[in-house]
Amino acid sequence: GESVGLHLPTLSVQEGDNSIINCAYSNSASDYFIWYKQESGKGPQFIIDIRSNMDKRQGQRVTVLLNKTVKHLSLQIAATQPGDSAVYFCAENRVPSGTYKYIFGTGTRLKVLA
Amino acid sequence: DTAVSQTPKYLVTQMGNDKSIKCEQNLGHDTMYWYKQDSKKFLKIMFSYNNKELIINETVPNRFSPKSPDKAHLNLHINSLELGDSAVYFCASSQGPGSSYEQYFGPGTRLTVT
Repeated sequence: GESVGLHLPTLSVQEGDNSIINCAYSNSASDYFIWYKQESGKGPQFIIDIRSNMDKRQGQRVTVLLNKTVKHLSLQIAATQPGDSAVYFCAENRVPSGTYKYIFGTGTRLKVLA
Repeated sequence: DTAVSQTPKYLVTQMGNDKSIKCEQNLGHDTMYWYKQDSKKFLKIMFSYNNKELIINETVPNRFSPKSPDKAHLNLHINSLELGDSAVYFCASSQGPGSSYEQYFGPGTRLTVT
């Protein structure tokens, strides 16, 4: 089996309930944010993104909220399903010295309970 | 028709050895990346190439040397492997290096140094 991130914050939700995963970012100059989903044994997969000139963006069953005042990002998953079980990462795009790179958050493990 | 592929998927080797990990993308992207994910799932960028040119080089020991023979390939060579190099290494690619380009990740290579 794979090495588990034992220190990852974990969110457990009942199947069918809504999930909210939070992320704090540190750089007020970050202008673009992405949420990624990483299933066991796989690479991160894009879910949804948002630019800093927006405060909300909706996708299919997912919504991202951005609060620039407190530098906070959240991912809402509606009607959570077993297939949503994964580790979720937020990533911010910083522009230090003109070079674009993504800085990933620590990740939150979502467990969906049947 | 895998978008970003890496070989090998698993690599077990002894301290002091030299090893390489290969990455290929068939998306026609200009930019490729190497990330390291530790046992706590923390994902950190190591290198990025755009059109075969190095554009991001994080504080990585010079035992790690990326090589991009063409836009579709980015390999990672590691000399004198150490125990602390054990991690999952992800390759990724994006259309360009700038903000708001989604990164597509490979399946990862789990490196174990004994």
